[in-house]
Amino acid sequence: QKEVEQDPGPLSVPEGAIVSLNCTYSNSAFQYFMWYRQYSRKGPELLMYTYSSGNKEDGRFTAQVDKSSKYISLFIRDSQPSDSATYLCAMSDNTGFQKLVFGTGTRLLVSP
Amino acid sequence: DAGVTQSPTHLIKTRGQHVTLRCSPISGHKSVSWYQQVLGQGPQFIFQYYEKEERGRGNFPDRFSARQFPNYSSELNVNALLLGDSALYLCASSFEGANSPLHFGNGTRLTVT
Repeated sequence: QKEVEQDPGPLSVPEGAIVSLNCTYSNSAFQYFMWYRQYSRKGPELLMYTYSSGNKEDGRFTAQVDKSSKYISLFIRDSQPSDSATYLCAMSDNTGFQKLVFGTGTRLLVSP
Repeated sequence: DAGVTQSPTHLIKTRGQHVTLRCSPISGHKSVSWYQQVLGQGPQFIFQYYEKEERGRGNFPDRFSARQFPNYSSELNVNALLLGDSALYLCASSFEGANSPLHFGNGTRLTVT
């Protein structure tokens, strides 16, 4: 069993839809949680990061962490075709932002 | 400001050869990390360096080595290449090691034939 599980998709939605992307994890030591966006032939781009549990909002993006369920989510409101990419969750333990453990990524397709 | 820059962008090598990949961090960033991303998978941690010292190593064989220079740039070396080493090699930098999130470059695509 992988430490971080993420549905690879693809997830296809129409423009303007609310998108929910999720990851589950097994290591209760994880404290730092990140979401990266990766376009084809590019490196991952940091979208958001949170420490421990709770919610964080940045524009159209909201990240949620539920440590009791070992479950994290990224919500995208008013999705745009430019949001079409692979979304990677990543997490690390109390050593901080090092030795990140990534999910496999979910491919999102937003159609006009 | 320039982001993390990696060179070369693409590379083709033969089994058994050696390869050196290079990375320049974002200006002001003192920590560099290396990750391997196999097609269809998430990146996997290889090394982290902070102030020229190794601060972490992932589950990779000794054929993989790295170093960080006084200007904070870094090299990843892989010896005795195997077909399974074909992947996208990503470099990430952060301001100060464990306390700052990682910012990735666009990677070097290595193909081993």
